[in-house]
Amino acid sequence: EDQVTQSPEALRLQEGESSSLNCSYTVSGLRGLFWYRQDPGKGPEFLFTLYSAGEEKEKERLKATLTKKESFLHITAPKPEDSATYLCAVESSGTYKYIFGTGTRLKVLA
Amino acid sequence: DTGVSQDPRHKITKRGQNVTFRCDPISEHNRLYWYRQTLGQGPEFLTYFQNEAQLEKSRLLSDRFSAERPKGSFSTLEIQRTEQGDSAMYLCASSLISNEQFFGPGTRLTVL
Repeated sequence: EDQVTQSPEALRLQEGESSSLNCSYTVSGLRGLFWYRQDPGKGPEFLFTLYSAGEEKEKERLKATLTKKESFLHITAPKPEDSATYLCAVESSGTYKYIFGTGTRLKVLA
Repeated sequence: DTGVSQDPRHKITKRGQNVTFRCDPISEHNRLYWYRQTLGQGPEFLTYFQNEAQLEKSRLLSDRFSAERPKGSFSTLEIQRTEQGDSAMYLCASSLISNEQFFGPGTRLTVL
């Protein structure tokens, strides 16, 4: 059964303190791995798509990487406005649905 | 604003009543998805449309839930005989190709 596990559940960082969020996945055939950001009371906002092991994507202070078993979202020198829940999802071959993890709640303190 | 709109944004209903939600996707997107999200959880897949055809439906979805997408444009999600366990955020997403789903703001349902 396809499964996505995210860790840690919650993370508190000081402004400027870099860290990484983990997304471990089990899927029959990976069609794509996706990172989203979600603010309270809003829908998820698309960040990145990764398709194959070794692929990396960057956007401002965020960098996503992918291996055959997990993905990392690296946050470099975070700012308070980076505070949000970060969700990881996978799409497997033979299905149209995303399987989401439970997310990592990130709080960046000024 | 992703361009996906949902209506209403909030709905409070009594147990046993029927409710209907609407989703308007980005106009050129042929794929439309419904998800349900409860507090502290990630979105849970409910159903998928490609144009007007409903191609996938979650096994977790009871017979009380039904979705339509007439003419391949907007979509509606109806819940019949609501239960307190149906209280959640209902999210709609659309995409043009099989990735990069763009989510709407959601409809928050509270069943009293």
